[in-house]
Amino acid sequence: GQQVMQIPQYQHVQEGEDFTTYCNSSTTLSNIQWYKQRPGGHPVFLIQLVKSGEVKKQKRLTFQFGEAKKNSSLHITATQTTDVGTYFCAGQAGTALIFGKGTTLSVSS
Amino acid sequence: KAGVTQTPRYLIKTRGQQVTLSCSPISGHRSVSWYQQTPGQGLQFLFEYFSETQRNKGNFPGRFSGRQFSNSRSEMNVSTLELGDSALYLCASSLGENSSPLHFGNGTRLTVT
Repeated sequence: GQQVMQIPQYQHVQEGEDFTTYCNSSTTLSNIQWYKQRPGGHPVFLIQLVKSGEVKKQKRLTFQFGEAKKNSSLHITATQTTDVGTYFCAGQAGTALIFGKGTTLSVSS
Repeated sequence: KAGVTQTPRYLIKTRGQQVTLSCSPISGHRSVSWYQQTPGQGLQFLFEYFSETQRNKGNFPGRFSGRQFSNSRSEMNVSTLELGDSALYLCASSLGENSSPLHFGNGTRLTVT
């Protein structure tokens, strides 16, 4: 069945360092969404990418969708302690939205 | 607008029992999806309901079932509970179009002893 793989599973950084999480799908996606789940909280929608090669920015966060629409990345510049949490990508193929297992980011000050 | 409401927040059940979880979506949202979240397994898709019909189903045994009512509220039922069913169950609502983002509730934490 369709799978969405996300790496790394865990990442620890010092405050101010950059962070990147990668997402790969076994099939071509119609769109990809990113969510953030703070510790003890629920996933919250961050952004959606639809077009091949699309790049979107939200302040220090940069999201990319690959040319083949099978991979995506989220890059955070100069991490802050408020960035702590688990970041999930979710790929849409047909009517099913399949989540990756997430990357848990911890930040030490 | 009120967010997605899930009840109860916490449940403790014993093996073999059954449980029903409830989800009230955001007003106007016609799609409700259910996910199981466990450490290390991420968010595993259970099923999605749209306009009272199951539109998608994940790879869970038949002990897991759901339904959606005409007001879009949804319930999920798990019968013959097993220890491995202990998890956070998240409900998410959306407008129901393919590109619609999901709005998650706070979840129901189920513990099976």
